[in-house]
Parts: sequence; C-alpha cells; structure tokens
Amino acid sequence: QKEVEQNSGPLSVPEGAIASLNCTYSDRGSQSFFWYRQYSGKSPELIMFIYSNGDKEDGRFTAQLNKASQYVSLLIRDSQPSDSATYLCAVTSNSGYALNFGKGTSLLVTP
Amino acid sequence: DTGVSQNPRHKITKRGQNVTFRCDPISEHNRLYWYRQTLGQGPEFLTYFQNEAQLEKSRLLSDRFSAERPKGSFSTLEIQRTEQGDSAMYLCASSSGATSTDTQYFGPGTRLTVL
Repeated sequence: QKEVEQNSGPLSVPEGAIASLNCTYSDRGSQSFFWYRQYSGKSPELIMFIYSNGDKEDGRFTAQLNKASQYVSLLIRDSQPSDSATYLCAVTSNSGYALNFGKGTSLLVTP
Repeated sequence: DTGVSQNPRHKITKRGQNVTFRCDPISEHNRLYWYRQTLGQGPEFLTYFQNEAQLEKSRLLSDRFSAERPKGSFSTLEIQRTEQGDSAMYLCASSSGATSTDTQYFGPGTRLTVL
C-alpha cells in the first residue's frame, strides 16, 4: 500500500463551484500535512498546511484533517479556471523531515 | 530574489555521462532537500541536509548519486554514469526548521533528459 493515496482524477468542476480533493495516508504517526499546487511543467507551490484535527481556512481554501480516519481533504470554494492544476497531498515521514507525496489529483475548472 | 533557485533548468545528456545540478536555498534556511519527480507521479524524496550534514538518504539514492552541501549554503547533486531511467525533474526544497510545522519551499527544478 502506497503511503499517501489520492484519486488521480481528472476532477472536473464548473467555475464558481466547490472542488473537493481527498487524500488518505497510512502512517498513523504522521504529524504534519501539506497541500501543494503544481501547474504543468512547474514546481510544487505550497497552498497550506494543517497539523491539528479539524478545519483550517485560508481565503478560498479549507483544509480538513481527521487523524482517526487518516484522511486529509482540501476544499476550494468559488473555483476559478486558474485553479486548474494538479494538487499534491504531502505527509511528513517517520523521520519528520522528508515529505511523502501522493500522485496528485488533476483538477479542471471549466468556464 | 528570495526563493529557491536551481541551475541548470534543463539538461540533456547522453547515457553514461555525468551531470551535476546546483541548488541555492532561501537565505538562512538551514534545511535542504532533494526530490525527484517523474511524469504522473508525486515528488519522491532523495536526501536531506541540515546545514552541511547529510542526515537522511532514500533507498532511491543509488551509488551513482551523490549530494553535497559543503558550507551549509548551496547544494550539488551529481549523477554518475547516467541511465535513461534517470530522466526526471529534480527538485530542491528548503525550510527554516524554525517552527514545529516546518514548511518546505520548492525551487523551479532541473529537468534532466538522458538520451
């Protein structure tokens, strides 16, 4: 079982809708969780991080963490075509330094 | 420029040649990481430095790969006797290590093509 699992998509949502991206992880000892956005041919760009159970909001983005279920999600409200990208979920490894990434979910926001 | 920089941005080489990539982290970031990313996959961790000390290496880092960070500032990643399977984007990231949730910031990457 891969350590971090994401649905590869593509996930297609209309402009203005809410996009919901999901991630599960296998290591119960993981402490910190990150969402990165990656445009085609570019490097990952940090969107937000979360380390406590519950919700964390930053502008149009909300990260949700449920450690009991080993589940992390990212909600994007009022989706824009410029949000079309691959969203990578990352989880700190046992060492606490390296990040384990999922394969990413491709999001397409249609006008 | 306060971001992570990497050079070169693109490298095309023939199988069997050696290549070296450079990463300059964000100023005063004492942690530096190398990752490799292939098409359709997330980045895979290769190695990690805290200052000049290489503290962690992935099993992905074969004997042909070596990384250094001699003065705790920039880092180099060398691949010897390149193989076609080494073709990938090589990403460098840095972090400050100053907070309990240490955030890694990525550079633009070096895209390696081995012919």
